[in-house]
This record gives sequence, structure tokens and C-alpha cells, in this order.
Amino acid sequence: KAGVTQTPRYLIKTRGQQVTLSCSPISGHRSVSWYQQTPGQGLQFLFEYFSETQRNKGNFPGRFSGRQFSNSRSEMNVSTLELGDSALYLCASSLGVGNEAFFGQGTRLTVV
Amino acid sequence: EDKVVQSPLSLVVHEGDTVTLNCSYEVTNFRSLLWYKQEKKAPTFLFMLTSSGIEKKSGRLSSILDKKELSSILNITATQTGDSAIYLCAVGVPAGTALIFGKGTTLSVSS
Repeated sequence: KAGVTQTPRYLIKTRGQQVTLSCSPISGHRSVSWYQQTPGQGLQFLFEYFSETQRNKGNFPGRFSGRQFSNSRSEMNVSTLELGDSALYLCASSLGVGNEAFFGQGTRLTVV
Repeated sequence: EDKVVQSPLSLVVHEGDTVTLNCSYEVTNFRSLLWYKQEKKAPTFLFMLTSSGIEKKSGRLSSILDKKELSSILNITATQTGDSAIYLCAVGVPAGTALIFGKGTTLSVSS
């Protein structure tokens, strides 16, 4: 059974650009959550999607957005990139409330 | 605001030692507490705890939840160098599958 797949694995972008990251959940999982991990702040929750609807949102600026498609695949977008957006972005999928979440390998974003 | 605090932040032990990692939480409408191990990138799931006092075990790892004290511990016995990792504690939000994480405990096991 395939795990959570995130693409791309690595990205280098320039300040001011925008970026789109992709996450394919485990087959059958309809819930997808996104997290940002930095050395100083640890793992911080960005947003959660279930059946194409955003169910929860963390405390991040509006430059961070996401969506989920009918096949449960999810994308997150960061516009007007800042140096501080450099981080490991992790996606997790779950069967639903009360079930554990499984993480992908992450996308390492570097903003220069 | 929901909060998860882990201690210690880092720990260095020798192979064979037993370690106890702590996690305390302040959340509204507690539902579950989860432990993950992160070695390189993807955190891997260890335990999910929902009921107080019931120990979950997997090999040399075990964990228990104390709802009265709003805390949990993760025990690792007979540590091995392969246990070196960041151990993350998280609580689930009331409505959904999102997780609020602590900063993690970095465990280093020397041979």
C-alpha cells in the first residue's frame, strides 16, 4: 500500500515568487493536513481538508492557501515568498476523526 | 490557545539506558494524544492515546496518558543507537484530524 506522496521533494525559489506543493494521500484517506516545520518553531499546523472543504486553519497569513480535489489529492500554494518561508512542508493523511495521521516525506523549500 | 509542551528538549544517553520523555498539554475538548518519531523527514506514527491509565506498548516503547494531570510519557527501555531521533507529541483538534505539536525531544543514543 503506497504511503503519502509529496512532490517535489526539493525546491529553490526567489523572494517574491510563488510556489505550489502537491500531496497525494494514502488510498482511501479523505483527510489531508499540511504542516510547516522549521528549527525554531517546530511543526506548525497550516490547514486541513476533508472532502474538498477546508475544515481547520492554523495561524498563517493569507499568502498560504490550499485546496483539495475530488480524488483527495491536495495542493498548497504560497504566494509572494519571503525568506522566512524556507522550511520543510509536510503533508499528512488520515481516514478521519479518531484515526492516526500518516506523513509524507515532505518538500524542502528554500527561499533565496 | 491550545498548547503542547515537551520535556526535556534534548537528551543524550548511552546504549542500554532507559529514557522517559514527557508531554503536557492545555487544549480545549481533548480528544487524543499522539506520539511520533522523526528520524529524517517523515514523522512515523508510534502511539495514539485516548483513555487515561491504559498503557500502549510496542516492543521496547510504551506510552501512557494521564488525563487528570493533562500529560503523557513515552518510555524507551534498553535504548539502541537506532532510537536516536526527534520524538514528537501532538494532540488532536476537537473537530477534524489536524494536530497541534510540541517542539519535540531530540534523543541521542551513543554506543
